[in-house]
Amino acid sequence: QSVLIQPPSASGTPGQMVTISCSGSTSNIGSNYVHWYQQVPGAAPKLLIYRNDQRPSEVPDRFSGSKSGTSASLAISGLRSEDEAVYSCAAWDDSLSGRVFGRGTQVTV
Amino acid sequence: QLQLQESGPGLVKPSGTLSLTCVVSGDSINSNNLWSWVRQPPGKGLEWIAEIHHVGNINYNPSLKSRVTISLDKSKNHFSLRLSSVTAADTAVYYCARDPIALTMVPLGAFDIWGQGTMVTVSS
Repeated sequence: QSVLIQPPSASGTPGQMVTISCSGSTSNIGSNYVHWYQQVPGAAPKLLIYRNDQRPSEVPDRFSGSKSGTSASLAISGLRSEDEAVYSCAAWDDSLSGRVFGRGTQVTV
Repeated sequence: QLQLQESGPGLVKPSGTLSLTCVVSGDSINSNNLWSWVRQPPGKGLEWIAEIHHVGNINYNPSLKSRVTISLDKSKNHFSLRLSSVTAADTAVYYCARDPIALTMVPLGAFDIWGQGTMVTVSS
């Protein structure tokens, strides 16, 4: 049972926008940064968004993150076939004194 | 360019001890980073296991703490994971990863570099 709750799947057609939610609690998302990872089959996760809404330099600006209260979202605009992957959210949890992840959301284009 | 590479046995017997090593190349393990282990059971989500800093600070996932030891070898520029009393539930891809600490002494909080991962199966 993951501490952070994500929908198992999301889909869209090329060019559309897809939004993925990540729901937590006051001990994790509510009081700490949220980060997002992209993982394609057989590969290691790749950091996509850090500290709620910051993008590493190599990540396209089609990817954006936001946080409100105890929930966070990842938006992918201008959906492309190469965006097919599993997207996972993560945060520090004060109650657990550890890092927690969501189960991941499979995005299908 | 910093790179991480996991190594260790791909098969461990139930009740045995899983031992993995992550070699750090392109930077010193004494640099200001938090070094972590993360695992992913087949078809499931990521699970953080433990982290270590070269000055000795260590954090463990409370759910695994009683069975886990993370350590660091400065002479070999690598860090290691030991997980004891393993069961089939410990079968997973194990990754090592880095969380960089800025000049402000605040960790990024996220893993910006990952190893390729190594599959460990617990089976007799």
